[in-house]
Amino acid sequence: DAGVTQSPTHLIKTRGQHVTLRCSPISGHKSVSWYQQVLGQGPQFIFQYYEKEERGRGNFPDRFSARQFPNYSSELNVNALLLGDSALYLCASRQFKDPGQGVGNTIYFGEGSWLTVV
Amino acid sequence: DAKTTQPTSMDCAEGRAANLPCNHSTISGNEYVYWYRQIHSQGPQYIIHGLKNNETNEMASLIITEDRKSSTLILPHATLRDTAVYYCIVRAYSGGGADGLTFGKGTHLIIQP
Repeated sequence: DAGVTQSPTHLIKTRGQHVTLRCSPISGHKSVSWYQQVLGQGPQFIFQYYEKEERGRGNFPDRFSARQFPNYSSELNVNALLLGDSALYLCASRQFKDPGQGVGNTIYFGEGSWLTVV
Repeated sequence: DAKTTQPTSMDCAEGRAANLPCNHSTISGNEYVYWYRQIHSQGPQYIIHGLKNNETNEMASLIITEDRKSSTLILPHATLRDTAVYYCIVRAYSGGGADGLTFGKGTHLIIQP
């Protein structure tokens, strides 16, 4: 079975530009989350989507936005790129939103998209 | 979610058991302990999780103390491919809320040949 897939794997953008990153969750997973990981730090939570609705947001500016599609895939958009947005952007998925203690709650990560802003 | 404390780095000889400690003294009754690892330039990989009882799977064992204030991840026979940053995370299943994981800096485990 395919895991969480992300595209593109690497990209370079110029300051002020816009970027769109894409994610396909594991088949059957309905919840998608996005994380930013800058060099030397652990991943930081940006957004969570479930059933096409935003269910949670981390401490990121409005330049960051996301959406989830009917097939549960997701896009992360970042506007007006800054040098500090250079990072590994990770997508993660899980099966359910609130299944309690079931296995559907384990979060699985993709390999990420490396964004360099110059 | 409760905060965790892990050593910054650890060494282990190849073939030996690697024991990675984690303190989570403020853990709540509904919070699970999760372990992930991240090999350089890759996404975090799920290893194991538990609530109260010790858990074992094909990758590792998780030992949680009776008071649940600390835990140890055990890789029984470490190989060079186990060199990675290991993250201990405590996480509750909140009704209707976001489930963003809070990562600390983790433990950089280096397996020595």
